[in-house]
Amino acid sequence: ETAVFQTPNYHVTQVGNEVSFNCKQTLGHDTMYWYKQDSKKLLKIMFSYNNKQLIVNETVPRRFSPQSSDKAHLNLRIKSVEPEDSAVYLCASSYRLGGSYEQYFGPGTRLTVL
Amino acid sequence: QEKVQQSPESLIVPEGAMVSLNCSFSDSASQSIWWYQQHPGKGPKALISIFSNGNKKEGRLTVYLNRASLHVSLHIKDSQPSDSAVYLCAVSSNTGYQNFYFGKGTSLTVIP
Repeated sequence: ETAVFQTPNYHVTQVGNEVSFNCKQTLGHDTMYWYKQDSKKLLKIMFSYNNKQLIVNETVPRRFSPQSSDKAHLNLRIKSVEPEDSAVYLCASSYRLGGSYEQYFGPGTRLTVL
Repeated sequence: QEKVQQSPESLIVPEGAMVSLNCSFSDSASQSIWWYQQHPGKGPKALISIFSNGNKKEGRLTVYLNRASLHVSLHIKDSQPSDSAVYLCAVSSNTGYQNFYFGKGTSLTVIP
């Protein structure tokens, strides 16, 4: 059952363009994330938000910027895309389960930069 | 930054076989370890987690954690074709935040 929604599913664009990806979760979770998954399936965390506040900003290029209007929404903007930005971008949310946090992922947005 | 290594990279087994997947991590202070399953074109789905040394069983899945050797393994009993997927090991950071570092995954194929 999908409860983390991402749009668009796919996006093809050219180098230098700006793109925006949207994410919404209906689970009532306080924390949301953006991950980048490369062609070798490696998932790397990019940003983490807790109740609309940025709590982690891993080393990502400045052209990436997250935007959160409320705790259910976390968008990602890429100001001027580069070829190495081609990847699947996964949004997730989490809640506390015992001593840890279970993450729920969306289906991802596949970005292709020509 | 946490480093997570998984092995093998890929695995092909007949239906009904026991599957063993391995994961090693670099920080003994990591809070918890999760295993995720990812089917093609889908986001990862959480399967099972472990926090304390020892083992934990849920259905056909058993996970073993040894913090001293920085190693965790996932075992799938009586594997099914529907288990064919990429399995990702995720280790929480020790910063107090809810961040996870993922391995590159093991691609499992179960042949009917």
